[in-house]
Amino acid sequence: KNQVEQSPQSLIILEGKNCTLQCNYTVSPFSNLRWYKQDTGRGPVSLTIMTFSENTKSNGRYTATLDADTKQSSLHITASQLSDSASYICVVSANFNKFYFGSGTKLNVKP
Amino acid sequence: DTGVSQDPRHKITKRGQNVTFRCDPISEHNRLYWYRQTLGQGPEFLTYFQNEAQLEKSRLLSDRFSAERPKGSFSTLEIQRTEQGDSAMYLCASSYSVGSSSYEQYFGPGTRLTVT
Repeated sequence: KNQVEQSPQSLIILEGKNCTLQCNYTVSPFSNLRWYKQDTGRGPVSLTIMTFSENTKSNGRYTATLDADTKQSSLHITASQLSDSASYICVVSANFNKFYFGSGTKLNVKP
Repeated sequence: DTGVSQDPRHKITKRGQNVTFRCDPISEHNRLYWYRQTLGQGPEFLTYFQNEAQLEKSRLLSDRFSAERPKGSFSTLEIQRTEQGDSAMYLCASSYSVGSSSYEQYFGPGTRLTVT
């Protein structure tokens, strides 16, 4: 069964601290993996997209890693800011055609 | 603004009423997706179009739901005889596809439906 699981479900950190969000998947055949940021009441916005051959990709303070062997990905946020408070959703594509969404990690950055 | 737009942003309706939502995708995108998202969950796939053809429908899309994309541009999602369980955020996304491969999805801001 194609599934995407994210952990933790929610996370509270202090402004300026780093954090890492996890995504495990069983989607096959794997095409690519995306991380989205979703602010409350808004649509998701893409942060990174990674294909099978990519191990790491950065977008400013966001760094995503992918281990295609263990089917795990992580999103690392450096020097968190209050504006990072949002839900982060991992999405895995199969056959470049179907998209499987995780339930998201809700991040709360406190001053 | 050349992103995906959705209208309305919020809709409050009484149980049993019909509602219709509209999505305008990015103009050069030939694929359009509808998702439903409830609080604390990721988006759940409802249906998608390739140009004007509806290629797949989820089992979540009961017979009270119908979606159209008549000219391969904007799309509408109609819910008939709304129920309280229909309360959710309805998200639209579009992408460019070549053959069976679809590239990155761009999401709209969503329509928040509340059924009272």
